[in-house]
Amino acid sequence: DTAVSQTPKYLVTQMGNDKSIKCEQNLGHDTMYWYKQDSKKFLKIMFSYNNKELIINETVPNRFSPKSPDKAHLNLHINSLELGDSAVYFCASTTTGKGGELFFGEGSRLTVL
Amino acid sequence: AQSVTQLGSHVSVSEGALVLLRCNYSSSVPPYLFWYVQYPNQGLQLLLKYTSAATLVKGINGFEAEFKKSETSFHLTKPSAHMSDAAEYFCAVSDGTSGSRLTFGEGTQLTVNP
Repeated sequence: DTAVSQTPKYLVTQMGNDKSIKCEQNLGHDTMYWYKQDSKKFLKIMFSYNNKELIINETVPNRFSPKSPDKAHLNLHINSLELGDSAVYFCASTTTGKGGELFFGEGSRLTVL
Repeated sequence: AQSVTQLGSHVSVSEGALVLLRCNYSSSVPPYLFWYVQYPNQGLQLLLKYTSAATLVKGINGFEAEFKKSETSFHLTKPSAHMSDAAEYFCAVSDGTSGSRLTFGEGTQLTVNP
């Protein structure tokens, strides 16, 4: 009965590969996010979708492509992985009435070798 | 634009001592303020939030925070630290609307010494 679930939890891959991370929430929320946490624990927003529509698109390399097939799912595909992409990627969700409070998944730790 | 600054990237206290983690915010609209905790290898968990109601907010695990508009602060306190409180703490700000971004501070690592 996990509220926000991400897969995979760990991902180790070589430079130049393409990989995807999936996120699903069963909270009935209408807004989902991807955040990146770097090695210094700093959290930076990458993307946000509201009812499948992209509403926040930060300055992120276009090798990163989010997709939201429905409001309960948000995936992140990364092409041509680079060493600097190594980080923990967090999915989060919220909805109207939560005052901006986000509910986070447990994170997906990506290591690029 | 909104931002938060957490003063002190590392705070160390003794078990049983007062915990004080500092957060100052900047916002052009009335802010919604949050404290999240992150335990090792886990996601972020909400400790407490301020959403324009009472200025003293009580959260989980004995933590509380006070919103002070005149000082643009939202410091987190706990009267008596426990070993299990050792974690990374993040202050965050949003404008409270669905679809808005939650902007985080750089985090404060709390160490609790026996």
